[in-house]
Amino acid sequence: EVQVVESGGGLVQAGGSLRLSCEASGFTFSSYWMGWVRQAPGKGLEWVANIKQDGSEKYYVDSVKGRFTISRDNAENSLFLQMDSLRAEDTAVYYCARGSYWDVNYFDYWGQGSLVTVTS
Amino acid sequence: EIVMTQSPVTLSVSPGERATLSCRASQRVDSNLAWYQQKPGQAPRLLIYAVSTRATGTPARFSGSRSGTEFTLSISSLQSEDFAVYFCQQYFNWPLTFGGGTKVEI
Repeated sequence: EVQVVESGGGLVQAGGSLRLSCEASGFTFSSYWMGWVRQAPGKGLEWVANIKQDGSEKYYVDSVKGRFTISRDNAENSLFLQMDSLRAEDTAVYYCARGSYWDVNYFDYWGQGSLVTVTS
Repeated sequence: EIVMTQSPVTLSVSPGERATLSCRASQRVDSNLAWYQQKPGQAPRLLIYAVSTRATGTPARFSGSRSGTEFTLSISSLQSEDFAVYFCQQYFNWPLTFGGGTKVEI
């Protein structure tokens, strides 16, 4: 059974840092794109970042470029999101999601999400 | 950035009725369009990708279509479990973008 489980969310002051982790199981992690999608309270979905299977390509939404870093450890079946210089508008549930085997980036499995709250 | 616009924002329907949800892209996305369903307190679930291909486990009452940059998600006969918010997403280019969502309610 495919599973992705996020951890690392919490309460942080504006300007602070937080690192989200996502542990994957039930599939060959190194064969899939992976990504982070967030959802602010009561709002829609916003894509945050994606990383290719071998980590050679990384893409970010403009609003987090230079502040967030996506990475992966294929040996540990883990995905990470390092979030620095956090702002109140980064407050959201952050979902880890599996991309595709090919270079087509929709998300077929999602975690239950990790809440990040940034206080000003 | 490709802007995805969904309409209506809220769709009120009765069980057993047909529901039609729309998603318009601000520029070409070809067939790189997915639909997701999200219920309260849950993560999104992939319903359809490549405009009309149902994901594993998606019932046949869900179907997708395309006319240029206009996309439609149809639910042929609404069941109680279908009342949820639906999002479209383009994956034609970066940044990936989602529509604002359509809430299907009773």
